[in-house]
Amino acid sequence: TQLLEQSPQFLSIQEGENLTVYCNSSSVFSSLQWYRQEPGEGPVLLVTVVTGGEVKKLKRLTFQFGDARKDSSLHITAAQPGDTGLYLCAGRGYSSASKIIFGSGTRLSIRP
Amino acid sequence: SQTIHQWPATLVQPVGSPLSLECTVEGTSNPNLYWYRQAAGRGLQLLFYSVGIGQISSEVPQNLSASRPQDRQFILSSKKLLLSDSGFYLCAWSVYPNEQFFGPGTRLTVL
Repeated sequence: TQLLEQSPQFLSIQEGENLTVYCNSSSVFSSLQWYRQEPGEGPVLLVTVVTGGEVKKLKRLTFQFGDARKDSSLHITAAQPGDTGLYLCAGRGYSSASKIIFGSGTRLSIRP
Repeated sequence: SQTIHQWPATLVQPVGSPLSLECTVEGTSNPNLYWYRQAAGRGLQLLFYSVGIGQISSEVPQNLSASRPQDRQFILSSKKLLLSDSGFYLCAWSVYPNEQFFGPGTRLTVL
């Protein structure tokens, strides 16, 4: 069974600080996605990474897919209160029948 | 552009009552459709997915069922709700296998 573990589960930091959220598995994924979800709303797709070692940037957010395609990280530079939310990673295996599985999430709170 | 709708947004139901949640997608054809349940502030549990009309795959044994009567309509149902059915229900669609797009969700409270 493929599992995705996210760490930390909760993170509260001051505005302007940097942070990194991790998504790890013992399984290999063909692709990995990051979503952000605000309370009472559905998750919103931020990025998809598909190549081992790939790095993608979205303004102050940097996403990296591990070389072995088993892990990913999300780094936020100079965090702002608008970054507050639940961050979810999701991965898809290699078979045609593979479904996307989700990590348990990291709840991020940025204090002004 | 594609949009996804879910209703109702909020629902409070007594134990033992029936349930019907509806999801519709606009702006795309033959999408894959998904129902997820989310516990408070946690990850998503896949309940059902569908690759076409009348084609439903169940991921978790439970008292819920799903149907897809039309290409862009996905319905989640129950004949008798349990307390444990409370949660945030999310519908999602995808065309490309790597990405899913979510609706606004339905908050279900079973009392």
